Amino acid sequence: DIGMTQSPDSLAVSLGERATINCKSSQSVLLSSNNKNYLTWYQQKPGQPPKLLIYWASTRESGVPDRFSGSGSGTDFTLTISSLQAEDVAVYYCQQYYSTPYTFGQGTKLEIK
Amino acid sequence: QVQLQQSGPGLVKPSQTLSLTCVISGDNVSSSSTTWNWIRQSPSRGLEWLGRTYYRSKWHYDYAVSVRSRLIINADTSKNQFSLQLNSVTPEDRAVYYCARVVTYVGVFDPWGQGTLVTVSS
Repeated sequence: DIGMTQSPDSLAVSLGERATINCKSSQSVLLSSNNKNYLTWYQQKPGQPPKLLIYWASTRESGVPDRFSGSGSGTDFTLTISSLQAEDVAVYYCQQYYSTPYTFGQGTKLEIK
Repeated sequence: QVQLQQSGPGLVKPSQTLSLTCVISGDNVSSSSTTWNWIRQSPSRGLEWLGRTYYRSKWHYDYAVSVRSRLIINADTSKNQFSLQLNSVTPEDRAVYYCARVVTYVGVFDPWGQGTLVTVSS
């Protein structure tokens, strides 16, 4: 199984400031035949299912604000929120879909400082 | 717009079977470009993919090792839905259970069902 580790576990950022969440996979999730990273990011608010934000490590889902961006390749990935808004308070998860069993990071709880 | 609507009991007795259903609207359970998945979430195990079913000329099933001996996922084409049956439940199976679609050329879980909190207690 591919292990997914996020850091930090929790993060407090001031409104309007940048938030950065890291995700590391235990093996590469880059498929060389198509040069795509099989890595996605979700946002989860209390009482709701996870919501898709980013796929292929850096492709923003339709409707997701452009303050959210994803980067990285191979085993190291980052989700960046360029200017934190109050509605961004949530838990964020990375997930690999390179191979089954699909696996998730443990989550990063993002709060307002 | 694809929507998934879950149903099933929120309380199951130890050693009994947990059964949940996910009704699909806006897509077809027999689609050759999707898979239909079950995922659960608990404080102790986080988000855990349980298994999937999909149709490629015949039905296929994949299960996580942790539940393989106890889990059955089925599709019902007449009702355009799929289901989860988890046998011999214990308190460790207490979790929020989600169904979710994967479109294979993208590969991510989207959309998700609304979630069902299942408690295992006598």
